[in-house]
Amino acid sequence: DTAVSQTPKYLVTQMGNDKSIKCEQNLGHDTMYWYKQDSKKFLKIMFSYNNKELIINETVPNRFSPKSPDKAHLNLHINSLELGDSAVYFCASSHGQGEDTQYFGPGTRLTVL
Amino acid sequence: RKEVEQDPGPFNVPEGATVAFNCTYSNSASQSFFWYRQDCRKEPKLLMSVYSSGNEDGRFTAQLNRASQYISLLIRDSKLSDSATYLCVVDSGGYQKVTFGIGTKLQVIP
Repeated sequence: DTAVSQTPKYLVTQMGNDKSIKCEQNLGHDTMYWYKQDSKKFLKIMFSYNNKELIINETVPNRFSPKSPDKAHLNLHINSLELGDSAVYFCASSHGQGEDTQYFGPGTRLTVL
Repeated sequence: RKEVEQDPGPFNVPEGATVAFNCTYSNSASQSFFWYRQDCRKEPKLLMSVYSSGNEDGRFTAQLNRASQYISLLIRDSKLSDSATYLCVVDSGGYQKVTFGIGTKLQVIP
């Protein structure tokens, strides 16, 4: 059983398009995250939601909009895609705050042409 | 100074060797510390949490030095399967603010 799943796994699209990445966790966790891992492999937090409420919103262009319809889902919508958005996006979840282990999804490799 | 710093490596070590990685952090108020492992083109997975008293899990030992603001990971008797990138993770508490280091790449050579 997949604990944290993301779709799609690969996404290739043109500049200027709008795309969404979906994330679901079946662990019953309260907190979900989106991370971006760039070409240098640096993993940086973008957003964190706790019980569907936005907790962390790092310095991310407002073209990126997370949406949490329920606490098991955290989707990421990206408007007007740019070349620099090409990266691997990881969704993660944890039971609660801070000290809890984060479980990562398999990642979505986004390539913007 | 970066919030979390690691030597990206790569560290190339022969099988059976002992290897150690350090990770420094800048926020003295940081509360929780972890080592994650990331295999090539895979997601990060928790390797171990790092406790103030130090902790050991088989061939892996993690230690925390709050005075000098660093954590370490020691791997004894390296296996080929240990080849991966090891990410240092620091949580500054409240609002789930976690910061990942850039990772240290380990390559264990036969």
